[in-house]
Amino acid sequence: AQTVTQSQPEMSVQEAETVTLSCTYDTSESDYYLFWYKQPPSRQMILVIRQEAYKQQNATENRFSVNFQKAAKSFSLKISDSQLGDAAMYFCAYGGATNKLIFGTGTLLAVQP
Amino acid sequence: DAGVIQSPRHEVTEMGQEVTLRCKPISGHNSLFWYRQTMMRGLELLIYFNNNVPIDDSGMPEDRFSAKMPNASFSTLKIQPSEPRDSAVYFCASSRARRTGELFFGEGSRLTVL
Repeated sequence: AQTVTQSQPEMSVQEAETVTLSCTYDTSESDYYLFWYKQPPSRQMILVIRQEAYKQQNATENRFSVNFQKAAKSFSLKISDSQLGDAAMYFCAYGGATNKLIFGTGTLLAVQP
Repeated sequence: DAGVIQSPRHEVTEMGQEVTLRCKPISGHNSLFWYRQTMMRGLELLIYFNNNVPIDDSGMPEDRFSAKMPNASFSTLKIQPSEPRDSAVYFCASSRARRTGELFFGEGSRLTVL
């Protein structure tokens, strides 16, 4: 069975600084997707970024980028120029042969002004 | 476009009562998912449907939980009888792709069982 591990329960970053959230996963599948979702206090789940495993190029969405290391089964999220609105719970998720997503336990990110 | 619509947003009930949570997926999406979120267990997939057919219900905790999708625009998650340990936020999500793509989540239903 596939698993997703987020080893950082909480992180903190200064406004305008850069922070990296870690995620590792385990799978025997060769074709899959990886996601980062953001959950602010409103509890709405918002997709931040998506990576297809067959693509070597790391995905980027404005200030958000990933470091995808397929061999190491690692998928970290980098947030540049952190803003107060980035404060939220961040979930890493795996999607494989079925179309369900398996989520990690989340990392709570605080942004200090 | 309307997103995934869930009701109620909040539900407070007493142990032993029946609870029904409702979900309207995004039009045109053919997959629907029910997740439960708790502090202890995080986000757990309870059940998901493809084209209104339940595909995987292995996450349903016990027989007290049941889910239906009578048509492409409506699903229910029922708990009968409810217990305090069922207190959680229940999310419904839908997606268009047969293969994994983005899940679009509703705002969740916060259930408190006293």
